[in-house]
Amino acid sequence: SQKIEQNSEALNIQEGKTATLTCNYTNYSPAYLQWYRQDPGRGPVFLLLIRENEKEKRKERLKVTFDTTLKQSLFHITASQPADSATYLCAPSASGGSYIPTFGRGTSLIVHP
Amino acid sequence: DSGVTQTPKHLITATGQRVTLRCSPRSGDLSVYWYQQSLDQGLQFLIQYYNGEERAKGNILERFSAQQFPDLHSELNLSSLELGDSALYFCASSVLEGGETQYFGPGTRLLVL
Repeated sequence: SQKIEQNSEALNIQEGKTATLTCNYTNYSPAYLQWYRQDPGRGPVFLLLIRENEKEKRKERLKVTFDTTLKQSLFHITASQPADSATYLCAPSASGGSYIPTFGRGTSLIVHP
Repeated sequence: DSGVTQTPKHLITATGQRVTLRCSPRSGDLSVYWYQQSLDQGLQFLIQYYNGEERAKGNILERFSAQQFPDLHSELNLSSLELGDSALYFCASSVLEGGETQYFGPGTRLLVL
């Protein structure tokens, strides 16, 4: 069955450093992969989408890589700030109808001032 | 603000009761998704509707049902409620049928006593 793995342990880093979060998936070949941010008690917010033919995508301080051979995506936040503290979810996606949306359980990021 | 609205924000009810959660998608979005998120649990996909028709089904209990109306708003009905149904219920919407970016509402927090 399809499986998405994100580090369940919280990632604690110091303000200004780069945070790197990992998403591994097995038993399927997504056409693209999305990253979302979720704050406690709130709905997830879309951050970035990267397609299978793209190696890297950037948006401001965010960078995502997608390695379809390793079945892995890395999510980087550079110059991290305490306001970046949240849970980050990855969602490898197929396309088209009858696809079952599947999200990883997320990794909690805590940025210390 | 994602443009997705959910009502009510909070709901407290007793075991055995029935409740209805409501979702209005973003303007122009044809797909609506429902998710359940329990404490410390990941997002569990329940069901998806696209333009009024059921498109995909996750691990939705038989006690739960949903529908999407001609104006594209959706309702999730939960009946014979149990303590374990206490959770955050999120609705999300997207333009197309599946796989692409979803925009989440603020959620309905259900507490079953």
